[in-house]
Amino acid sequence: DAGVIQSPRHEVTEMGQEVTLRCKPISGHNSLFWYRQTMMRGLELLIYFNNNVPIDDSGMPEDRFSAKMPNASFSTLKIQPSEPRDSAVYFCASSSGQGAGYEQFFGPGTRLTVL
Amino acid sequence: DAKTTQPNSMESNEEEPVHLPCNHSTISGTDYIHWYRQLPSQGPEYVIHGLTSNVNNRMASLAIAEDRKSSTLILHRATLRDAAVYYCILADSWGKFQFGAGTQVVVTP
Repeated sequence: DAGVIQSPRHEVTEMGQEVTLRCKPISGHNSLFWYRQTMMRGLELLIYFNNNVPIDDSGMPEDRFSAKMPNASFSTLKIQPSEPRDSAVYFCASSSGQGAGYEQFFGPGTRLTVL
Repeated sequence: DAKTTQPNSMESNEEEPVHLPCNHSTISGTDYIHWYRQLPSQGPEYVIHGLTSNVNNRMASLAIAEDRKSSTLILHRATLRDAAVYYCILADSWGKFQFGAGTQVVVTP
């Protein structure tokens, strides 16, 4: 079975450009999570969706970040405009339910470098 | 938000058990305790989780204190492939994870 799929795996862009990260959750999963990982701050939850609806976006750092989930099999995280401090590894994860007892399955991540 | 505290690093010899402690004194009654690990250049990977009772699976065992303010992940026989950062996580009733800094496990042959 395919796991969580993220694209691109690596992205290098210049400051001020728009960046779009993509995620395909595991088929049948109804919860989706976006995380960011940096050396300084570790793994941080940015936003999560349940049944395609954003439930909690309190971790989104600022208005330059936006996330959508137009259907059950696709989500995007967009940064516009990008800044060097956005450089990080971005992970998408999905789970088969909403609640504390559900395992999250993580994708391989997208390594973003903003010059 | 509830938080976890773990040692920065632990070292073990190959084929010996590893006991990874975690303190979570502010855990709420509905929080689950999850453990994930992250190998270099990979996403976090599920290890085990529990609520109140001790749990075993093919990867590890989870021992949860009676007051639930601490837990211990037990790797029964460490292998070189177990070298990773291990995260102790509290999951709230929404399924929201809060990651701590994790413990870097080093396994020496």
